[in-house]
Amino acid sequence: SQTIHQWPATLVQPVGSPLSLECTVEGTSNPNLYWYRQAAGRGLQLLFYSVGIGQISSEVPQNLSASRPQDRQFILSSKKLLLSDSGFYLCAWTEGRYGYTFGSGTRLTVV
Amino acid sequence: AQRVTQPEKLLSVFKGAPVELKCNYSYSGSPELFWYVQYSRQRLQLLLRHISRESIKGFTADLNKGETSFHLKKPFAQEEDSAMYYCALGGTSYGKLTFGQGTILTVHP
Repeated sequence: SQTIHQWPATLVQPVGSPLSLECTVEGTSNPNLYWYRQAAGRGLQLLFYSVGIGQISSEVPQNLSASRPQDRQFILSSKKLLLSDSGFYLCAWTEGRYGYTFGSGTRLTVV
Repeated sequence: AQRVTQPEKLLSVFKGAPVELKCNYSYSGSPELFWYVQYSRQRLQLLLRHISRESIKGFTADLNKGETSFHLKKPFAQEEDSAMYYCALGGTSYGKLTFGQGTILTVHP
């Protein structure tokens, strides 16, 4: 069966520090992968998506970047975190039109 | 551009009462609509999708293209229905989903 792993679960980082959040998927090949941010009062905002290795599309300009070094691995990064990067980050995958499967999320607090 | 609007941030009902969570969308193409739910301390999960025309946990949702709505309904709410509910619009390129802002449903005993 397909599963999705996301870590860490919580992270507290100082302003200006780097960030790396990882997401891996098991039990499927060539999934579409997504990074969303869930900010208080703002719902779920799509940050990046990827339809294949090395293929990254950004939905909103921001301080973050994403990479997909392997078929089932999706990484969210930042070189220097800002206070506004705080939020709940969700990774998701889909094989097509039947909706997403979400990871358990990472709560990032930038202090 | 696609947009999903959930007008109610918070919705409170008593156990046994009917509940309706509103969702309106804006999309020029052929929409695919979903409802996702996030229970306390659980991950966000798919509740139902319009193409399946299914009832899950007593919830139903009908796509009304004329009114561009996909409201979620349940005739008799239960306390375990308390959760955050997101309406989502798909049918766009690369499987991207556009989510509404979410509605926190609280069912009181």
